[in-house]
Amino acid sequence: KQEVTQIPAALSVPEGENLVLNCSFTDSAIYNLQWFRQDPGKGLTSLLLIQSSQREQTSGRLNASLDKSSGRSTLYIAASQPGDSATYLCAVDDYKLSFGAGTTVTVRA
Amino acid sequence: EAGVTQSPTHLIKTRGQQATLRCSPISGHTSVYWYQQALGLGLQFLLWYDEGEERNRGNFPPRFSGRQFPNYSSELNVNALELEDSALYLCASSPDRVSTGELFFGEGSRLTVL
Repeated sequence: KQEVTQIPAALSVPEGENLVLNCSFTDSAIYNLQWFRQDPGKGLTSLLLIQSSQREQTSGRLNASLDKSSGRSTLYIAASQPGDSATYLCAVDDYKLSFGAGTTVTVRA
Repeated sequence: EAGVTQSPTHLIKTRGQQATLRCSPISGHTSVYWYQQALGLGLQFLLWYDEGEERNRGNFPPRFSGRQFPNYSSELNVNALELEDSALYLCASSPDRVSTGELFFGEGSRLTVL
């Protein structure tokens, strides 16, 4: 059974600081890994999708890396802004999407 | 282009009743996924439908069921509601039929069981 762990559970940083969010998974036989953002009480917004054959994906200030052999992914958010405050979830696709519990980020103005 | 739409936004039921939640995927997407997000818990996979058939099911009792219609919209039915069924139910769609592919989520239906 796939287990997805996200560390830390919560993170509070001042505006402008870079964010590093970690995701680990137990079964490396995955199709892809996806990072999502969730605002309180809302649905999920897809941020980045990394295929199993890829090492990283970038979108604007976001960069996600994938090391499938070690079962790890990292989401980097550069120059954080208060609008980045949300819960960030990673999910691995092994014929069904298994989610981590998320990292709740607070960016202080 | 319209995103994934879910209805109702909120639903209040009492124990033992039945709840029906609806989801319309993005146009062109054939796969629909249902997830439960209970307060303080992560997203739990419920069901995956593609081309009208159930492709995979999470670790939930049989009173959680659903179906997908010819237009790819989907219903999630929860029978004999229990208090712990109170949660945000999220629907997602994907154009990919082999793996999950990139998922696009709706805003969710919040079910409260009293």
